[in-house]
Amino acid sequence: GAVVSQHPSWVICKSGTSVKIECRSLDFQATTMFWYRQFPKQSLMLMATSNEGSKATYEQGVEKDKFLINHASLTLSTLTVTSAHPEDSSFYICSARSLAVLGYEQFFGPGTRLTVL
Amino acid sequence: GQQLNQSPQSMFIQEGEDVSMNCTSSSIFNTWLWYKQDPGEGPVLLIALYKAGELTSNGRLTAQFGITRKDSFLNISASIPSDVGIYFCAGLYGNKLVFGAGTILRVKS
Repeated sequence: GAVVSQHPSWVICKSGTSVKIECRSLDFQATTMFWYRQFPKQSLMLMATSNEGSKATYEQGVEKDKFLINHASLTLSTLTVTSAHPEDSSFYICSARSLAVLGYEQFFGPGTRLTVL
Repeated sequence: GQQLNQSPQSMFIQEGEDVSMNCTSSSIFNTWLWYKQDPGEGPVLLIALYKAGELTSNGRLTAQFGITRKDSFLNISASIPSDVGIYFCAGLYGNKLVFGAGTILRVKS
């Protein structure tokens, strides 16, 4: 149980375009979803926390107008990278949590590799 | 902000050897977690620690939550080739996970 999927697993786009990444909790309802970014050979850096039905809370230094997060349902959160540039190329990983059912444990998706040309 | 200092940065060991890695912090955490990440994948939870002093095992893995709540270690006994990967410690601070920099483990067979 507690499976999280991401789609797509990888994407290549041109500079200036927008890219949407989906994160789904497949077998539980996630009251909270988290978005992380990971550069090669580095750790995971939290970008934002989103609770279903409310606005995401962004970490310091993360541009909310550039990284749009929507958590419209208990099983789906999306991250849209707007007007992507090469420096946005990274590995984006989501995680999901259900505090009432599964406690504080976060279950991670497999990640999405974004390459901006 | 909260930071976790994870060491060693990398290890290259012989199959069958035991491995030990640790994390320390200047901040207190109420929960410590250890994850493994394979290339191109998301992290997978190995062990979760909820009480200071707690010692927990998961197969060949053993982890302990330091009594001061500022440190934790992970041991892997009798390493095998599939143990290769990056191991991260993480501390739960409020609602958020703070990750260590990771330990890259390579195993020679």
